[in-house]
Amino acid sequence: DAGVIQSPRHEVTEMGQEVTLRCKPISGHNSLFWYRQTMMRGLELLIYFNNNVPIDDSGMPEDRFSAKMPNASFSTLKIQPSEPRDSAVYFCASSPGGFFYEQYFGPGTRLTVT
Amino acid sequence: AQSVTQLGSHVSVSEGALVLLRCNYSSSVPPYLFWYVQYPNQGLQLLLKYTTGATLVKGINGFEAEFKKSETSFHLTKPSAHMSDAAEYFCAVNQGAQKLVFGQGTRLTINP
Repeated sequence: DAGVIQSPRHEVTEMGQEVTLRCKPISGHNSLFWYRQTMMRGLELLIYFNNNVPIDDSGMPEDRFSAKMPNASFSTLKIQPSEPRDSAVYFCASSPGGFFYEQYFGPGTRLTVT
Repeated sequence: AQSVTQLGSHVSVSEGALVLLRCNYSSSVPPYLFWYVQYPNQGLQLLLKYTTGATLVKGINGFEAEFKKSETSFHLTKPSAHMSDAAEYFCAVNQGAQKLVFGQGTRLTINP
């Protein structure tokens, strides 16, 4: 199994530009999570999906952030417009679902907004 | 709401010494507890988990953790540190269905 795949691994963009981060979860997993990691705030859950349906988006910082999961094998996190304070590492994780299952993390996308 | 506190943002030990990383949690429901490790420029990887049953759980790379309900703790230990153990370690507790709450992390440094 290839694990959770994220692209791109690194993204550098200018303030005001649109940024799209992509994630392919592990095949057969029912749940998908988007996290943001910064030195100041640590690891924050932004949103998670169960069976492609958004369940909890209370961690999405503001309307500039949006996430979609059009099918079981693909999800996007979009920031429009981007700001320097969005600079962080964004992780996608997937899980088979349920209480007993751990989350499997992708390698992350390092986003730098100048 | 559930929460996790990791005591010590940085821990330094000598190679071959005992590793002890502390985690305390608060939970209004029976907790499911996890330890993850993050190597530089990588995602988080599961070390071990406690759900039910035996309170001493063993994980990968020689790590183990003990669930102590009376102390609301889930400390991570390894008898003998190796240079390759240098990483950041995160404790987590479940929050409702599927969500995990993570601690702030502990950076482990191994001195030769």
